[in-house]
Amino acid sequence: DAGVIQSPRHEVTEMGQEVTLRCKPISGHDYLFWYRQTMMRGLELLIYFNNNVPIDDSGMPEDRFSAKMPNASFSTLKIQPSEPRDSAVYFCASSQGAGGKTQYFGPGTRLLVL
Amino acid sequence: AQSVSQHNHHVILSEAASLELGCNYSYGGTVNLFWYVQYPGQHLQLLLKYFSGDPLVKGIKGFEAEFIKSKFSFNLRKPSVQWSDTAEYFCAVRATTSGTYKYIFGTGTRLKVLA
Repeated sequence: DAGVIQSPRHEVTEMGQEVTLRCKPISGHDYLFWYRQTMMRGLELLIYFNNNVPIDDSGMPEDRFSAKMPNASFSTLKIQPSEPRDSAVYFCASSQGAGGKTQYFGPGTRLLVL
Repeated sequence: AQSVSQHNHHVILSEAASLELGCNYSYGGTVNLFWYVQYPGQHLQLLLKYFSGDPLVKGIKGFEAEFIKSKFSFNLRKPSVQWSDTAEYFCAVRATTSGTYKYIFGTGTRLKVLA
């Protein structure tokens, strides 16, 4: 298995632009998680899905952030418009089973908003 | 609110020294506990986890952690570190709240092992 796949690996954009991050979970996993990692705040859970349905989005910082999971093998995290304070590493993770136990992380997308 | 505290933000050790990284959580219900490691330039990997049973959990690469329920702690230990253990270590808690699961990570501890 290729593991969790994220694209792009690096993204540099200018303030105000739309940013879309993509994630392909491990096949057969029914939970998908989006995290943001910054020096100041560490690793924060933004949102997670179970069977493509958003379960808890209380970690999404504001309305500029949105996430979708149109099918079991694809999810997107969109920031519109982006701001410099959104600069961070965004991780996607997936897990299998009721409640989702061990999470497998993707390599992350390093986002820099100028 | 649930929270996870990692008290040491940076730790520097010489090779062969013993390691203990502290992790305390704040939650009164049932929890599952994890330690993840992130090596330079790599993504997060699971080091070990505790769900139930023996509170002393052994993980990969000689790491272990002890769950002490009365202290709400899950400290990570290794008797003798190696240069290759240089990484960032994250403690995480999975807590059940109103039928949904919350995954809460600590802010991480950066370990640097000097050769």
